[in-house]
Amino acid sequence: EPEVTQTPSHQVTQMGQEVILRCVPISNHLYFYWYRQILGQKVEFLVSFYNNEISEKSEIFDDQFSVERPDGSNFTLKIRSTKLEDSAMYFCASSERIGRRLAGGVEQFFGPGTRLTVL
Amino acid sequence: QKEVEQNSGPLSVPEGAIASLNCTYSDRGSQSFFWYRQYSGKSPELIMFIYSNGDKEDGRFTAQLNKASQYVSLLIRDSQPSDSATYLCAVNRDTGRRALTFGSGTRLQVQP
Repeated sequence: EPEVTQTPSHQVTQMGQEVILRCVPISNHLYFYWYRQILGQKVEFLVSFYNNEISEKSEIFDDQFSVERPDGSNFTLKIRSTKLEDSAMYFCASSERIGRRLAGGVEQFFGPGTRLTVL
Repeated sequence: QKEVEQNSGPLSVPEGAIASLNCTYSDRGSQSFFWYRQYSGKSPELIMFIYSNGDKEDGRFTAQLNKASQYVSLLIRDSQPSDSATYLCAVNRDTGRRALTFGSGTRLQVQP
């Protein structure tokens, strides 16, 4: 069964450094997402991406964050200058197979996550 | 503020019993409702979704939706120790927006 994959599984960085988290969504999906989960807290939406542009973003997704689909398979999240409070699990998700009716088709499938630790 | 509320638990049930997990949401515009299971340190795994009022059954799982009461629930029949996890309720407006709003989850413990 197709899965969302993410690399690395764990990233440790120094405050102020740039990090890039990588995801390979399910191959025939159209929408891609990033969520984060701070330890012990809720899963929070960051951004959704469709047709090579951001379709929706949350208040968390400020100018320090950016997303990119550099080729036909990868989807990346960049944090330009990491802060201590960026430490969290970052989950990539994807949804909606090509050709599937959009009505009721927003089931999102999550990757295993990247644990980001900012020191 | 659009909220999704869940009792944090833990909800403890004996093996073979029915576990009942509840969720309320504040946004009346919510159209799609999802239950995810999350084992400790792992990612959310989609187990059920429901879009219409009423019940939807899939194996041992039944999702129930009451939009008038802004209430969605998940029943797990014949609970197994492997069902022990945190169950996350998530909602979506499904009108062009796809962001999921998650609850904080209910921790379920199934006692052997």
